[in-house]
Amino acid sequence: KAGVTQTPRYLIKTRGQQVTLSCSPISGHRSVSWYQQTPGQGLQFLFEYFSETQRNKGNFPGRFSGRQFSNSRSEMNVSTLELGDSALYLCASNPFPGGGADTQYFGPGTRLTVL
Amino acid sequence: QKEVEQDPGPLSVPEGAIVSLNCTYSNSAFQYFMWYRQYSRKGPELLMYTYSSGNKEDGRFTAQVDKSSKYISLFIRDSQPSDSATYLCAMSAGGNTPLVFGKGTRLSVIA
Repeated sequence: KAGVTQTPRYLIKTRGQQVTLSCSPISGHRSVSWYQQTPGQGLQFLFEYFSETQRNKGNFPGRFSGRQFSNSRSEMNVSTLELGDSALYLCASNPFPGGGADTQYFGPGTRLTVL
Repeated sequence: QKEVEQDPGPLSVPEGAIVSLNCTYSNSAFQYFMWYRQYSRKGPELLMYTYSSGNKEDGRFTAQVDKSSKYISLFIRDSQPSDSATYLCAMSAGGNTPLVFGKGTRLSVIA
């Protein structure tokens, strides 16, 4: 069974630009969560989507948004990029919403660098 | 005070040593406790998953939870160079609440 895939794996942008990251969950998994990982703040929850609806949201500004498609694939968008947005963005999939950590699998992440 | 505190290390040990990693937390609502291992350029993978207090053993790994002290530990016996990675603790109150992670401890096991 294929794992969680994220594209692109690496991305370089400049301040003020916007970026879209993509996540394809494990086949049959319908919940997708996004996390931001930085050396200073560690791994922080951004939001969770299930059935094309955002179910939960972390404490991030409105520049961070996401969506989920009918095939469960998800995208996250960051507008007006800031230097502090440089991070590893991780996607995790789960078979069902609010599913436990024991059924959640992480993708390899997208490394975003903002110059 | 952050909800979850974890010493970032780095921690360097010789092969075969017993490694002790730990986290403290402040939210008494946490009921589920996890340890993840993250290799460079990879996403975290779940190592241990425990509910409430107590011990759980899986091969060379033992997880301990002491809810009265708000303290969790991961022990690695007979450590191997392949155990070199960043170890993240994570916790959840269950239900629809998201996971809260520690910042991770970088471990190097030297052959």
